[in-house]
Amino acid sequence: GAGVSQSPSNKVTEKGKDVELRCDPISGHTALYWYRQSLGQGLEFLIYFQGNSAPDKSGLPSDRFSAERTGGSVSTLTIQRTQQEDSAVYLCASTKGGMNTEAFFGQGTRLTVV
Amino acid sequence: DAKTTQPTSMDCAEGRAANLPCNHSTISGNEYVYWYRQIHSQGPQYIIHGLKNNETNEMASLIITEDRKSSTLILPHATLRDTAVYYCIVRVGNTGNQFYFGTGTSLTVIP
Repeated sequence: GAGVSQSPSNKVTEKGKDVELRCDPISGHTALYWYRQSLGQGLEFLIYFQGNSAPDKSGLPSDRFSAERTGGSVSTLTIQRTQQEDSAVYLCASTKGGMNTEAFFGQGTRLTVV
Repeated sequence: DAKTTQPTSMDCAEGRAANLPCNHSTISGNEYVYWYRQIHSQGPQYIIHGLKNNETNEMASLIITEDRKSSTLILPHATLRDTAVYYCIVRVGNTGNQFYFGTGTSLTVIP
């Protein structure tokens, strides 16, 4: 596809369950970001991957959150033992890398923890 | 730390130019200014970015002051579809790659 693809678009899960969110970046983009957006709030940076470098995990809110990027392409964000405060829209973005390149965002996964 | 300051909300009459200000007084010499917008329930959409020169594309113009401490996004002829939250972002980080989003400006275009 031409854009960043995220799946699922919506996910409802019970408190305490684990969830996996998927992001397919634009082909050839070396950098990938995860953000989350709570209702009515701005975007909160979570994690950033650039090529084969160690990811920047400085935005992950707790050790229940983790992410991986396999083969430099698809990324999975995993939330273990979900809590109600994890309910948010999780957004993925990719860029070609470098400071002078724009990031393209997917439409997000809306996670609801009940 | 978003590094930018924007008004919380603004109104603009349809067909008129919308001028959205942003302060980034602590910007460093190699940090770019990016503008995105987010329409309800959608992912952020890229608008424009610049370093120190003014920039123009099919969507908007970006005016950056000479000292780079502030900028203005100009939508030349606002339409109802331009109603959105507009984010001014200074891209920071050792490798210059994090996009730190603040709370943005909620622009309402009025018929």
